Amino acid sequence: DTAVSQTPKYLVTQMGNDKSIKCEQNLGHDTMYWYKQDSKKFLKIMFSYNNKELIINETVPNRFSPKSPDKAHLNLHINSLELGDSAVYFCASSLRGSGRLNEQFFGPGTRLTVL
Amino acid sequence: TQLLEQSPQFLSIQEGENLTVYCNSSSVFSSLQWYRQEPGEGPVLLVTVVTGGEVKKLKRLTFQFGDARKDSSLHITAAQPGDTGLYLCAGSQGGSEKLVFGKGTKLTVNP
Repeated sequence: DTAVSQTPKYLVTQMGNDKSIKCEQNLGHDTMYWYKQDSKKFLKIMFSYNNKELIINETVPNRFSPKSPDKAHLNLHINSLELGDSAVYFCASSLRGSGRLNEQFFGPGTRLTVL
Repeated sequence: TQLLEQSPQFLSIQEGENLTVYCNSSSVFSSLQWYRQEPGEGPVLLVTVVTGGEVKKLKRLTFQFGDARKDSSLHITAAQPGDTGLYLCAGSQGGSEKLVFGKGTKLTVNP
């Protein structure tokens, strides 16, 4: 019954490593997002894909590379992890063409800790 | 530049009290949403408002969109401990899929 799922829930790794976070939605949505929530709880969009096409790409280091194999999946790969990458990463999805509503459904988050 | 300013940042009240949380901007939004986030979980959508002056009620929660579509408020009547959480407002401009979030109001309702 899970609508938007993410794995892993927790990720602890050393600086300089490469890691991936996976996201899947079973809501039939066509648009997916990655957000970063910092320690002060500020939620900021990183990327958005619509039907596997990148439509939002905020100012994010190119160490972050999203990949969407199909419209139900959006993964996030991070190269050469830095201390400042520590945060909670949320995946979300919505149905494009829902007019002005843009209602988004969020996953449970992945807490990334870089040591 | 923070497009959406939320106030207060923190709010701690006793069960049964009423409260209002504000979300303000100098920009016009085509729609505005309120989410509640509990510790260790993702934000959950509470409501979307799209028309200037619109008021929506969700049990003890009342949401209002400003006439000029630049601000919104969330009023909770007779708050309960289960209302504890981080309340986030988020806005869309034009037909963009991009949601801009406020920094949130952390509400604690003490029994």
